[in-house]
Amino acid sequence: DIQMTQSPSTLSASVGDRVTITCRASQSISGWLAWYQQKPGKAPKLLIKEASSLASGVPSRFSGSGSGTEFTLTISSLQPDDSATYYCQQYNSDSRTFGQGTKVEIK
Amino acid sequence: QMQVVESGGGVVQPGRSLRLSCAASGFTFRRYGMHWVRQAPGKGLEWVAVVSYDGNKTYYRDSVKGRFTISRDNSRNTLYLQMNSLRPEDTAVYYCARSVHEEWSFDALDIWGQGTMVTVSS
Repeated sequence: DIQMTQSPSTLSASVGDRVTITCRASQSISGWLAWYQQKPGKAPKLLIKEASSLASGVPSRFSGSGSGTEFTLTISSLQPDDSATYYCQQYNSDSRTFGQGTKVEIK
Repeated sequence: QMQVVESGGGVVQPGRSLRLSCAASGFTFRRYGMHWVRQAPGKGLEWVAVVSYDGNKTYYRDSVKGRFTISRDNSRNTLYLQMNSLRPEDTAVYYCARSVHEEWSFDALDIWGQGTMVTVSS
């Protein structure tokens, strides 16, 4: 199976900060990567698909980049509502896999 | 309003079976690949299985192969997950989710249900 490794596991930042989360794949997945946001007790929400395509209704402060084995999710100006756990997911192989998650906290 | 609603969760003893259902509405169900994703208490997301839009292709994570079966009834707009030989490590919230694009199975997931809890314990 393709392993997905996110870093950092947790981060704490202030409102207005630029935040970057990294996701690395154990082998090339081309651009077949999604990012999700999950708040406690809620279902995940799709943010980014195909590595860099913003999902419908998602604020433009979220952006994604990368291809092959290294990907990033960037929040250009962190807002209080962005406090959540973020997951990457590859869908290049028969067995899709998620990263372990990155918890974003607001200082 | 496009939505999926899971049902069928509960408490079950190890080795027993359970069937989950996911009712879809607000979109043309028969055109989309459908997935099950689970989340153990306090843990991350874990993809479980996918079925193609027409039901002809299925894929599973290794730990559930031979025990779980994903299927769909396009006439009833319903997705299923038959879970046999359940283990304590299968304890999780199980989410049903839709592929973004019509007829794609290798895809991101854009519509998620609220999940149904499965607890495997004696």
